[in-house]
Formats: sequence, structure tokens, C-alpha cells
Amino acid sequence: DGGITQSPKYLFRKEGQNVTLSCEQNLNHDAMYWYRQDPGQGLRLIYYSQIVNDFQKGDIAEGYSVSREKKESFPLTVTSAQKNPTAFYLCASSFGVRTEAFFGQGTRLTVV
Amino acid sequence: QQPVQSPQAVILREGEDAVINCSSSKALYSVHWYRQKHGEAPVFLMILLKGGEQKGHEKISASFNEKKQQSSLYLTASQLSYSGTYFCGTDLPNNAGNMLTFGGGTRLMVKP
Repeated sequence: DGGITQSPKYLFRKEGQNVTLSCEQNLNHDAMYWYRQDPGQGLRLIYYSQIVNDFQKGDIAEGYSVSREKKESFPLTVTSAQKNPTAFYLCASSFGVRTEAFFGQGTRLTVV
Repeated sequence: QQPVQSPQAVILREGEDAVINCSSSKALYSVHWYRQKHGEAPVFLMILLKGGEQKGHEKISASFNEKKQQSSLYLTASQLSYSGTYFCGTDLPNNAGNMLTFGGGTRLMVKP
């Protein structure tokens, strides 16, 4: 079945460590997105990519990095520079910005 | 710049109607609507495109006023399953292309 998969579902890390969240899709989508969601809050765009080997910063890119080496994969690294990394992270993909976006099940990151 | 949603929260009895609004300070090319259940991924409801085209589920209706840069989602004869947080998303141009940006969400609770 086609879909978008995020792993792991839960992630615990010590403060000061970098951590990479995985996002893979087999929907043949060109566009991929990363969002951060804090409790009771909306979805804030971190990074997005419209094509392989190209990506753009969203509203809250500081402290995060991404790569898009393959169409299917868009991993997000939360670096030690991110001051408050504990949050729910959602990855999404679509054929384009004006088509339906499909979301993964999310990764809940807790930094202690 | 994120779109602004109103109201922030709504409580309904089963069978009642509700309207959720989404507005932007910039020109809109499309408006997306998604619903998220607690702890789950957002699920696509509808997309409205500039020019009048709409794609989405038959039981959901929405409007898009391009001149006023506003969209409204209409939930009629609400059911318990309608409970969740509703997000509107808009595609906004920036220097590197269009990005899909979401509002802060509207929490809807339907009671028996």
C-alpha cells in the first residue's frame, strides 16, 4: 500500500545531542514538508522541498537541517542549536502545493 | 505568514451546525482544509483553488472568497465523529516557490 511513513514514533534524546527523524513516502510525490506541532498549537512549517536536491526554509528553520537526496526520503535533523526541541513532528508529501497533502503518523520527540 | 482561523474553539450538540473561518493578509491561490484527531495525523478534507475548482469529500462544504482572501468551512448536522481540530492551509509564494502554511487550528467538540 502507498503511504508516508515516519520513524520512530517516539524518540528520547539528551540535551545537546543531534537527532534525525526519518520520513519516507512511496506515493511518487514531488513535494515534501516538515511541520512542528506544540501542545494545543497549530502546524508550523520547518522546511519544505519541491524537488530532489532542493529545499527551502519555512517559518521556523533555525536549529533544524534537512536533505533531499532521493525523491522518497526527506529526513529532518534536530540539532543542538534548537533551543526547545521537544515537540510533535509531522512530515507530509503531495504532488504539488495545490494538491492534497498526505501526513505521516508523526514522531514525538522528547529532549531531557 | 500563517493564515488566521476563527473561532479558536467551538462546542456543539449533535445535529447542530458550525462555520470555521480562515483568512490571509496575502493573496491566496488555494486553501486546504484538514481535520486532526488527538495524537493522530491530519486528514485531508477539501482543497479550494483560485477560479472556483474544489476537490474533497462530498459531505464537506466550503467557500473561497478570492477578493477577501477568506475561506469558510461549513459543518452541517454535526456528528460525534466531527470532533477534532480543523486546520486551514494556504499556499503562499516566497522567493523560492510556494509553501503550504497552516493556521493555528479550530478545536471542535461535538457532544451527544
